[in-house]
Amino acid sequence: DAKTTQPPSMDCAEGRAANLPCNHSTISGNEYVYWYRQIHSQGPQYIIHGLKNNETNEMASLIITEDRKSSTLILPHATLRDTAVYYCIVYNNNDMRFGAGTRLTVKP
Amino acid sequence: EAGVAQSPRYKIIEKRQSVAFWCNPISGHATLYWYQQILGQGPKLLIQFQNNGVVDDSQLPKDRFSAERLKGVDSTLKIQPAKLEDSAVYLCASSLNSRAPEQYFGPGTRLTVT
Repeated sequence: DAKTTQPPSMDCAEGRAANLPCNHSTISGNEYVYWYRQIHSQGPQYIIHGLKNNETNEMASLIITEDRKSSTLILPHATLRDTAVYYCIVYNNNDMRFGAGTRLTVKP
Repeated sequence: EAGVAQSPRYKIIEKRQSVAFWCNPISGHATLYWYQQILGQGPKLLIQFQNNGVVDDSQLPKDRFSAERLKGVDSTLKIQPAKLEDSAVYLCASSLNSRAPEQYFGPGTRLTVT
C-alpha cells in the first residue's frame, strides 16, 4: 500500500500557481519524498524529490513541513500542458509504490 | 538522448494465450524496472533488474509472469497464460543505478485480454 494520501482531483487556472498537497505521516527518517507526474497515455515523469529541506528545480518547488509529515508540490505558473496525474511517493531504495495520485486539471 | 523504448505499443490477445513485451532502456542505465498499471491506479512494480540480475521480484506473479535481461541491456516480460485481469499498461523504466533518484519511463504497452 502507498504510504501517502493525496486528494483525488484538483483544478487550477492557467497561469496561476498549482499547490498539490500530500500527507505522509508515517514517513521514516531516511525516506525521501518523490513527485512524479503522468500525462495521459505517457509513462510517469520525474519532477522533484527531497528529504527535509525545500527543493526547487526548473519544473517545480517542493515544500516539506518541519515534522516531515506532509509536503506540497508547487507549480508556479501552471499551463494547460501541466494537466496530468501527480504522484507523491515515499521512497528509500525499496520499491517505488505509486498511489492513485491527484488528477490536476489546468483550465484556461 | 534517446528515451526508453518499448514495443509493441498495443496488444490484444485472448485469455490463455501468451504474450511478450520488449524494453530497451536508456544507454548506460544499469537498473531496469517493469511496472503494471491497471486503469485508474498508479503503477505497481513487478520486477527490478540490476544489470542482468534480479534485485526484487516479490510482486511478480511467477506462476504466469517471467522476465529476463540476459545481457544486462534489453529486457523482455512474458505472460503465459494470460488472464482477463492482466489487462493493463506495462511500463518499463530505467535508472542510472539502483540509488539514482530519477527513473525514466517508456510509453508503455497497453495489453487487452479478451
